[in-house]
Amino acid sequence: DAMVIQNPRYQVTQFGKPVTLSCSQTLNHNVMYWYQQKSSQAPKLLFHYYDKDFNNEADTPDNFQSRRPNTSFCFLDIRSPGLGDAAMYLCATSREGGRTSHFGDGTRLSIL
Amino acid sequence: RKEVEQDPGPFNVPEGATVAFNCTYSNSASQSFFWYRQDCRKEPKLLMSVYSSGNEDGRFTAQLNRASQYISLLIRDSKLSDSATYLCVLNTDKLIFGTGTRLQVFP
Repeated sequence: DAMVIQNPRYQVTQFGKPVTLSCSQTLNHNVMYWYQQKSSQAPKLLFHYYDKDFNNEADTPDNFQSRRPNTSFCFLDIRSPGLGDAAMYLCATSREGGRTSHFGDGTRLSIL
Repeated sequence: RKEVEQDPGPFNVPEGATVAFNCTYSNSASQSFFWYRQDCRKEPKLLMSVYSSGNEDGRFTAQLNRASQYISLLIRDSKLSDSATYLCVLNTDKLIFGTGTRLQVFP
């Protein structure tokens, strides 16, 4: 059974049109991460939450925001997507102090 | 200097071959090390953790050399299904990924 669920698997949006990607988990992990992965590149951490504490990476564009209304859910909001934001977006969870992370299947975002 | 560096490959090897990948890291305070496997257009999946004493899981052997700050992955008796990108990952307070090494096993 999937433990980290991302919706949708594929998202197409128009240039400049806001889009929200969602992630839910059944693991009760207190840490959740959002990664962006472009073709042939390593996943790049955008931000992560320790419980409700939000940690933004220094080079994450202002265009990207996140919400975590409760332990189970986390959202990635892209306010005005540009062509350069087309990528796979990966959600991951871990237990604080845990050694590994569980990844969702990812959402592949395309920009028209 | 990048925190994690890997040879991007591709490594093209015949079935049955033995292949090894190395990964160097710059943060000597790194606590935990892993190899992840990522298939095309899929999410990364944990392959194995890497311990100082070295560890083996079937055809896969991982080694950590803290003095030289590198980790390695050895795959013996390569299978077609081993074709994937292998990501070296460090865990400090978050996961830091290398760019990955692409392996292509051919018949």
